[in-house]
Amino acid sequence: DAGVIQSPRHEVTEMGQEVTLRCKPISGHNSLFWYRQTMMRGLELLIYFNNNVPIDDSGMPEDRFSAKMPNASFSTLKIQPSEPRDSAVYFCASSPRYNSPLHFGNGTRLTVT
Amino acid sequence: KNEVEQSPQNLTAQEGEFITINCSYSVGISALHWLQQHPGGGIVSLFMLSSGKKKHGRLIATINIQEKHSSLHITASHPRDSAVYICAVRPDYNTDKLIFGTGTRLQVFP
Repeated sequence: DAGVIQSPRHEVTEMGQEVTLRCKPISGHNSLFWYRQTMMRGLELLIYFNNNVPIDDSGMPEDRFSAKMPNASFSTLKIQPSEPRDSAVYFCASSPRYNSPLHFGNGTRLTVT
Repeated sequence: KNEVEQSPQNLTAQEGEFITINCSYSVGISALHWLQQHPGGGIVSLFMLSSGKKKHGRLIATINIQEKHSSLHITASHPRDSAVYICAVRPDYNTDKLIFGTGTRLQVFP
């Protein structure tokens, strides 16, 4: 079990650029979550998928953010165009089924200058 | 007022001390999670519980549904327990969304 794999670990980009964060959930897990963590707001859910279908995207801040899960083993979170206020650590997590413990990736630290 | 409140925000202890971190919530829940985030940033799920008590090694988590309160206890604390401990609840309506507390930063000194 390799755990949840996120890439890249660190991303530094300039304002206005497109940023794509990637996540590979644990094999067999049916739910996938994207979280953002900042000093000011702590951990916030952005979106979650169940069986590759987006269930709740109410946490996505605005239209600049989009997430996809084309298959059970891959998800992306895209920010276009990026802004300095998007700087945060983005975590992906997966769980085997509804209402079960989460397994977190190591996070992607995004810095937008 | 936040729906999930943790106390204390910061906690320091000497190695060997018994630690208690508290979590109170204001919504009906189907489950409560305790998470641990080490200084390196990784997040680990410690417990998920909906009633009673769970124990894993030196860690014990309890929940009182009627009082909407949970506690995380660490017995015989060790410097490697230094981390941020986060309480999160899953509301009892049909969602897999968690509401997070702001975390308790624990430092254990040798």
